[in-house]
Amino acid sequence: EDKVVQSPLSLVVHEGDTVTLNCSYEVTNFRSLLWYKQEKKAPTFLFMLTSSGIEKKSGRLSSILDKKELFSILNITATQTGDSAVYLCAVDRAGTASKLTFGTGTRLQVTL
Amino acid sequence: GAGVSQSPRYKVAKRGQDVALRCDPISGHVSLFWYQQALGQGPEFLTYFQNEAQLDKSGLPSDRFFAERPEGSVSTLKIQRTQQEDSAVYLCASSFQGWSETQYFGPGTRLLVL
Repeated sequence: EDKVVQSPLSLVVHEGDTVTLNCSYEVTNFRSLLWYKQEKKAPTFLFMLTSSGIEKKSGRLSSILDKKELFSILNITATQTGDSAVYLCAVDRAGTASKLTFGTGTRLQVTL
Repeated sequence: GAGVSQSPRYKVAKRGQDVALRCDPISGHVSLFWYQQALGQGPEFLTYFQNEAQLDKSGLPSDRFFAERPEGSVSTLKIQRTQQEDSAVYLCASSFQGWSETQYFGPGTRLLVL
């Protein structure tokens, strides 16, 4: 059975701090790993990672995948209160439709 | 439309009542997914459609859950004889093809069964 484990479960930081969120996975026939940000509504897409060692970057957010060690990290630099959300990691398996398996998420709270 | 929409946004049902949740995917998206998200958990896969064909329903928790997408666009998730354990947010997502394509999520329907 596919498995995604995220850590930490929750995190409180001060505005301006840098945070690193972790996602480890076990999946048969791995195809891609995705990061989503979920506030009080729909998960919004952040990154899709398919290749090891290639950093994806969007503003203050970046992510990288290690397919040998089966994990990914999501970095947020110079955090802002608007970054407060649950960050979800999901994996997608090849050979079938894109049925995502999600972790439980990391709840990030950024305080002033 | 601009994004995935779902209705209703909130639904309160008495135990034993039937409910129907609607999803309007992004126009032109072939693939549609339903997920169930319990409080404090990540979304869990329920079922998947490619056009009108339901290709995977392995995540449906019981035969009380039924989904359809008769014309390959709008989808309805129906839950019969609701139970308290059905209380969750039901998320719908769509993607252009479904294979290695990003899924875009709707805002969800929060179902509370009393």
